[in-house]
Amino acid sequence: AQKVTQAQTEISVVEKEDVTLDCVYETRDTTYYLFWYKQPPSGELVFLIRRNSFDEQNEISGRYSWNFQKSTSSFNFTITASQVVDSAVYFCALSEIFQGGKLIFGQGTELSVKP
Amino acid sequence: GAGVSQSPSNKVTEKGKDVELRCDPISGHTALYWYRQSLGQGLEFLIYFQGNSAPDKSGLPSDRFSAERTGGSVSTLTIQRTQQEDSAVYLCASSGRETYEQYFGPGTRLTVT
Repeated sequence: AQKVTQAQTEISVVEKEDVTLDCVYETRDTTYYLFWYKQPPSGELVFLIRRNSFDEQNEISGRYSWNFQKSTSSFNFTITASQVVDSAVYFCALSEIFQGGKLIFGQGTELSVKP
Repeated sequence: GAGVSQSPSNKVTEKGKDVELRCDPISGHTALYWYRQSLGQGLEFLIYFQGNSAPDKSGLPSDRFSAERTGGSVSTLTIQRTQQEDSAVYLCASSGRETYEQYFGPGTRLTVT
């Protein structure tokens, strides 16, 4: 069965600190996608990244970077030099291609960045 | 371009009443998804439409829930005989064919009193 685990329920950091959000997934499929979404206090889910199961290259986008390791079934998200505007709930999600793309979400990690 | 829109943004209803929630996907997106977000259950998949194919209803929690998508665009999620446990934020998302990147609307917050 498919499952996504985000073990960190809440993280609190001070501005400019680096922070890593962990995500571990379970799937029997060999073809799948992994995602990260941000949900700021306004409530709308914002797409951040999609990674497919055949591409283990790490990705960097500005202060954001993602580390995908199939060997440990992990897809971790690092924010470098965090800012107050990064405060939000972050969700990791899994989509199995042959299940139509529906997302299986983790429970989310609430990140609080204090000035 | 315009994103996914949902209406109403908030809905308060009495237990036992029926409600309809509407979703307008991004123009040209062929796939449409409904999810529910509640404190106890997190984010749960409800139903998925792809083009003219039969919908995947595997996430609907009971037969009081149904959804349709007219003309391959707008979708309506209907909850009959609402119960207090139906209180949640109902989210709609759409994606282009085979991109699997789902873009979400702002949600409808449903409160059943």
